[in-house]
Amino acid sequence: KNQVEQSPQSLIILEGKNCTLQCNYTVSPFSNLRWYKQDTGRGPVSLTIMTFSENTKSNGRYTATLDADTKQSSLHITASQLSDSASYICVVSALSSGGSYIPTFGRGTSLIVHP
Amino acid sequence: KAGVTQTPRYLIKTRGQQVTLSCSPISGHRSVSWYQQTPGQGLQFLFEYFSETQRNKGNFPGRFSGRQFSNSRSEMNVSTLELGDSALYLCASTRQGGTDTQYFGPGTRLTVL
Repeated sequence: KNQVEQSPQSLIILEGKNCTLQCNYTVSPFSNLRWYKQDTGRGPVSLTIMTFSENTKSNGRYTATLDADTKQSSLHITASQLSDSASYICVVSALSSGGSYIPTFGRGTSLIVHP
Repeated sequence: KAGVTQTPRYLIKTRGQQVTLSCSPISGHRSVSWYQQTPGQGLQFLFEYFSETQRNKGNFPGRFSGRQFSNSRSEMNVSTLELGDSALYLCASTRQGGTDTQYFGPGTRLTVL
């Protein structure tokens, strides 16, 4: 069964500090891994997308890494801001036999940034 | 350009009723996916439509169905509502699907009493 595990479940940091969120997966056959940011009461917003051949992808202060051998990914947030307070969701897609993509979602990490 | 829109934003139904939710993708996007989000299960994939055809389907009962129109707008229908169907229903659109950037709508909050 395809699974995506995220850690920690929640995290509290001070404004300006860095943090790293983890995502471990058992999804096969692997196609791509995405990180999303979801503010309370809103739809998720795409941060990064990585395929098998990519091991780093940046989007401003967000940097995602992917180790396809160990099936792990991390999302590093640099110089956190109050607006970074949100849920961060890791999504790993498998490529189906029909050529389409089947996503499996992690439960998310809830990040709170305090001033 | 306009983002993904979903209507209605909030909905209250009773058990046994049916409901239809609507999603209008970003102009030019041909792929629309639907998701259910609950506190207990998190986000779960319902189905994806591309050019009016269901291209992919998650592990949900047949009470959940959808369709896509020629203008790429999509509807999702849930029949014989159960209390457990209370959730935030999100749709997302991409140009072609696959590894394209996915843009989510604000969601429809469905409450089943």
